[in-house]
Amino acid sequence: EAGVVQSPRYKIIEKKQPVAFWCNPISGHNTLYWYLQNLGQGPELLIRYENEEAVDDSQLPKDRFSAERLKGVDSTLKIQPAELGDSAVYLCASSTTGQVGTDTQYFGPGTRLTVL
Amino acid sequence: KQEVTQIPAALSVPEGENLVLNCSFTDSAIYNLQWFRQDPGKGLTSLLLIQSSQREQTSGRLNASLDKSSGRSTLYIAASQPGDSATYLCAVPSSGSARQLTFGSGTQLTVLP
Repeated sequence: EAGVVQSPRYKIIEKKQPVAFWCNPISGHNTLYWYLQNLGQGPELLIRYENEEAVDDSQLPKDRFSAERLKGVDSTLKIQPAELGDSAVYLCASSTTGQVGTDTQYFGPGTRLTVL
Repeated sequence: KQEVTQIPAALSVPEGENLVLNCSFTDSAIYNLQWFRQDPGKGLTSLLLIQSSQREQTSGRLNASLDKSSGRSTLYIAASQPGDSATYLCAVPSSGSARQLTFGSGTQLTVLP
């Protein structure tokens, strides 16, 4: 069974440029998460989807970040324009929506963004 | 707001030693606690999930315990190996959102051959 797929793995851009990250979750997983991880820190949730619906996006900086999950499968996270402080690893995870407390999240390898 | 603390931030041990990693959290109203492993440049891999009604979970050489009342969990690794070298993170559901995880900053473990 394929795991969570993310692309690109690495991205270097200049500040003020746009950037997009793509995630393909595990087949059958209807919950999808985007996390941001700074060096030496644990991941922080940006947005959570249940199928196509964004059910938790309180941590997403909506002035420059946007996300979509068309057809409830793949998802794209976009930053426009990027700032120096956006340099981090962006992780995607997926899970089934089972009984609360039992669902394990499966993570992709992440996209390491460097903003110059 | 849920806060998760992991101590120590880094740990280096010789191969074969048994070791304990610590995790503490501020809001004890949790459904579960999870331990993850992260290798350099990689995503997170779930190691153990302890539900709130459980006291511990075991998987091979790993044993995780949970004490909800004191807001503490430990991950015990027996007979450590160089392949265990990685960062270990614990995570609990955030206050008010059972499906949103709050992570600790992790413990970076190095097992020396």
